[in-house]
Amino acid sequence: AQTVTQSQPEMSVQEAETVTLSCTYDTSESDYYLFWYKQPPSRQMILVIRQEAYKQQNATENRFSVNFQKAAKSFSLKISDSQLGDAAMYFCAYRSWGNSGNTPLVFGKGTRLSVIA
Amino acid sequence: DGGITQSPKYLFRKEGQNVTLSCEQNLNHDAMYWYRQDPGQGLRLIYYSQIVNDFQKGDIAEGYSVSREKKESFPLTVTSAQKNPTAFYLCASRPPDRDSPLHFGNGTRLTVT
Repeated sequence: AQTVTQSQPEMSVQEAETVTLSCTYDTSESDYYLFWYKQPPSRQMILVIRQEAYKQQNATENRFSVNFQKAAKSFSLKISDSQLGDAAMYFCAYRSWGNSGNTPLVFGKGTRLSVIA
Repeated sequence: DGGITQSPKYLFRKEGQNVTLSCEQNLNHDAMYWYRQDPGQGLRLIYYSQIVNDFQKGDIAEGYSVSREKKESFPLTVTSAQKNPTAFYLCASRPPDRDSPLHFGNGTRLTVT
C-alpha cells in the first residue's frame, strides 16, 4: 500500500518570504498523481497544485510550485511571497494511476503553516 | 451551481446511538468517497463507491456502513460499534476523467458524548 509522509507538523514563515513544505511517499508504481491540498480554518479542502508522475517538468501555479523528485519519491511544495491568506493546513496526497481512474487519494498527516505579519 | 452538500455542519449524538451523515452531489460523478479527519492524522479513507450499488472498504471501515442506492447520494452511518466516532467527516466525489481532481463537501463535525 502507498504511504505519504509529511515530516513537518508545523511550519512558520514571515509574510513575503518563501517557505518549502516537505512530502515523501512510498510506492512501487511508475504512474501516479501527486497533489497538494490547502485546508484553511473554514476546513474547506482546496486543491493547490498537482503533478503527474510521467511529467518531468515541475508543476507551477502562480506563487506555488513543486519540486518533484521521482527517484527520491519526494514532492515538496514551495510557496513564494507568502501571504497571510496562505496560513492553513497543507496536505500532500497520492493517487494511483489505476484502471478506472477512481482510485482513492492517500493523504499525509498534514503541515500546519503559520504566516507572520 | 453544482457541488457536494454535506449536512448538517455540526451533529451531536449520545454514545450508543447510530447516526447517519448525509452527502449529496449534483455533479453527475460516479465515484464518491468518505474520509475522516482527526487532529494530527490527516484524512483517512472510510469507504468509497465507484458506481451505484457498489462500494469498497477503506482503511478504517470498522464501525461504519454506507449505501449507494442513487448516483447522487452516498450516506455514511456511524454505528455504535465505532469506538471513537467524534471527528470531522469529509465527503468527496470525482468524475471518471483520470485527470480530474476530487471535489470536496464542506464537511460534518460529529461529536458523540
